[in-house]
Amino acid sequence: GAGVSQSPSNKVTEKGKDVELRCDPISGHTALYWYRQSLGQGLEFLIYFQGNSAPDKSGLPSDRFSAERTGGSVSTLTIQRTQQEDSAVYLCASSLGNRGGGNTIYFGEGSWLTVV
Amino acid sequence: DQQVKQNSPSLSVQEGRISILNCDYTNSMFDYFLWYKKYPAEGPTFLISISSIKDKNEDGRFTVFLNKSAKHLSLHIVPSQPGDSAVYFCAAYSGGGADGLTFGKGTHLIIQP
Repeated sequence: GAGVSQSPSNKVTEKGKDVELRCDPISGHTALYWYRQSLGQGLEFLIYFQGNSAPDKSGLPSDRFSAERTGGSVSTLTIQRTQQEDSAVYLCASSLGNRGGGNTIYFGEGSWLTVV
Repeated sequence: DQQVKQNSPSLSVQEGRISILNCDYTNSMFDYFLWYKKYPAEGPTFLISISSIKDKNEDGRFTVFLNKSAKHLSLHIVPSQPGDSAVYFCAAYSGGGADGLTFGKGTHLIIQP
C-alpha cells in the first residue's frame, strides 16, 4: 500500500517478555517517528530518525526501549522485559523531510500492545 | 509539564452547528501548529496547519485561528457533520526543538444528530 504500514496490529504479551514492533514508512520518506498513546493520554514522542543522521532518542522512556532503522527505510521498535505500563498503541509516522514545519507527517494505524 | 494543552477531553455539538476545539501552549518557541483527527482503531490523519506568521488558515469547513499573544489556537468546524465525530489532537512544532511534534491529549468531538 501507499501508506505507513505497521505490524503486528495487535500484540498481547506476558510481562517480562520482549516485543518487536515493525514499521514500513511511505516510500521516499526520509523521516520516521515513533509515538505512543496510552489510555487517556495524548501522543507521546519516542524517537525520530532522519536519513543517515543519528536518531533523536530523547523521548524513549527507559533503556528497555530501543529502535533501529535499517537501510533508511524499515524501522523496528523493541521493548525488552515488558511491563504492564508499556501497554499502549505504538504509532509510527513518516514524512518527506524535516520534522514538523511544512512537512506533514503521516501515521500508520498503530500496533496495539497489551502486557498481561 | 504539558507544553500543549487541550483542556476539554470531550465536546458535544449538534449537527449543523459550529464546533470549536481549543488548544493552549506554553512554549513561545513553537512556530508551527497542526491539527490531527483520529478515528477509533486508526492512526491520526493530518487535518490542517498554521504557521506562526499567520493568524488564520481556512480549508473548506475547517478554519484554524492562532492568537500568538495568548498562546492559543482553535479549530472551527462549520457546519459540523456526523463524520466529524473523532478525537482531535492539537500539535506544535519548534524549529529548534529536539523532539518533533508535541501533541496535546486530544478532544473527543461528538456530533449529535
